[in-house]
Amino acid sequence: GQNIDQPTEMTATEGAIVQINCTYQTSGFNGLFWYQQHAGEAPTFLSYNVLDGLEEKGRFSSFLSRSKGYSYLLLKELQMKDSASYLCAARRSNDYKLSFGAGTTVTVRA
Amino acid sequence: DTGVSQNPRHKITKRGQNVTFRCDPISEHNRLYWYRQTLGQGPEFLTYFQNEAQLEKSRLLSDRFSAERPKGSFSTLEIQRTEQGDSAMYLCASSQGTSPTDTQYFGPGTRLTVL
Repeated sequence: GQNIDQPTEMTATEGAIVQINCTYQTSGFNGLFWYQQHAGEAPTFLSYNVLDGLEEKGRFSSFLSRSKGYSYLLLKELQMKDSASYLCAARRSNDYKLSFGAGTTVTVRA
Repeated sequence: DTGVSQNPRHKITKRGQNVTFRCDPISEHNRLYWYRQTLGQGPEFLTYFQNEAQLEKSRLLSDRFSAERPKGSFSTLEIQRTEQGDSAMYLCASSQGTSPTDTQYFGPGTRLTVL
């Protein structure tokens, strides 16, 4: 099986930076995805990492360390609309399904 | 390019009734997935299709659950003899298997409430 852990909740101030950590124990690891999910809505794709390093997309960046089984999602210049749940998901080689963590609820305060 | 669509968006039913949900994937996506999500949890995999073939079913999918993708396009998920524990958000996702990342894109979900 897979074990994916991320913090339950985080709070930050508008304009600040927040880093959401995710650790995984996935045999045959083949990719780490981050999704954003607003309450009552579908998860929307944010980023994908399969090699070690940092992927940057505007205000959002994602980092992966395969040797440590660790990823983080960095949200910069926080806006109120960034208040949402952030889901970390891992995929195995030759297996197309995603295994999700429970999600991290980020609350952005004015 | 339209996204993944699901119908209905909400379904309230009484225990013991059968329900059927529909998912229309992004056109030309050959892979289609069903997940279930309960409050405070991430989505849990239920089943997966490549074209019309159902290639994997989770042990979460009891005999009361059945899914089809008859022509390799839309898919249906049926739950027979619903139980209160079936109350959840049912999410459908699709992906293009030939893309390098094979990213899954999710539909808005069907929220099922079993009374």
